[in-house]
Amino acid sequence: QSALTQPRSVSGSPGQSVIISCTGTSSDVGGYNYVSWYQQHPGKAPKLMIYDVSKRPSGVPNRFSGSKSGNTASLAISGLQAEDEADYYCFSYAGSYAMSFGGGTKVTVL
Amino acid sequence: EVQLVESGGGLVQPGRSLRLSCEASGFTFDDYVMHWVRQAPGKGLEWVSSISWNSDYIGYADSVRGRFTISRDNTKNSLYLQMNSLRAEDTALFYCAKGDRSVPMGYIDLWGRGTLVSVSS
Repeated sequence: QSALTQPRSVSGSPGQSVIISCTGTSSDVGGYNYVSWYQQHPGKAPKLMIYDVSKRPSGVPNRFSGSKSGNTASLAISGLQAEDEADYYCFSYAGSYAMSFGGGTKVTVL
Repeated sequence: EVQLVESGGGLVQPGRSLRLSCEASGFTFDDYVMHWVRQAPGKGLEWVSSISWNSDYIGYADSVRGRFTISRDNTKNSLYLQMNSLRAEDTALFYCAKGDRSVPMGYIDLWGRGTLVSVSS
């Protein structure tokens, strides 16, 4: 098992869009449509933002969207808002009942 | 109220053992896979272990396999993590988490607040 690869940080001004990538292998991200994304504010538990690659739970703004191409999944945040500043983690099934998180990406709203 | 409440964390010496517990409420516990996820201070999330609804399917991270044992008691709506041979690098906030289906796949849709484990002499 290896952690999925995410950029350490991304930033954007309010109203702009940012994209966070999550790169794995054909044994995890590329092999299953079980990629999810979590938002974590300091001192808080993670919150589900996207599941099954591109589905959005009720209550999550449609500014958040997910996609996947090959072994790389992506989380896009459009119309960036101050409250979007947080850490974001991807999560994928990795076969044989194992799971894997990405290393996390800090989103900064300039 | 739908919630997960962890307990059992604390300060422990290297090489010793600790057992974490998680009590679930507000949902049908034995319908779902359960997970343990940890987060070292200032670090990212790390998946630790998962157990299917009936305990038939279990997965462990390489970093804990052979030292940690996950289990559940559906009659008590409880999840456990027995941690042996603890190391300094096991110091973390341990989250109990609920999966969206009965087997270890898919996503996490409910998190507890976590219980802190500190391994130090």
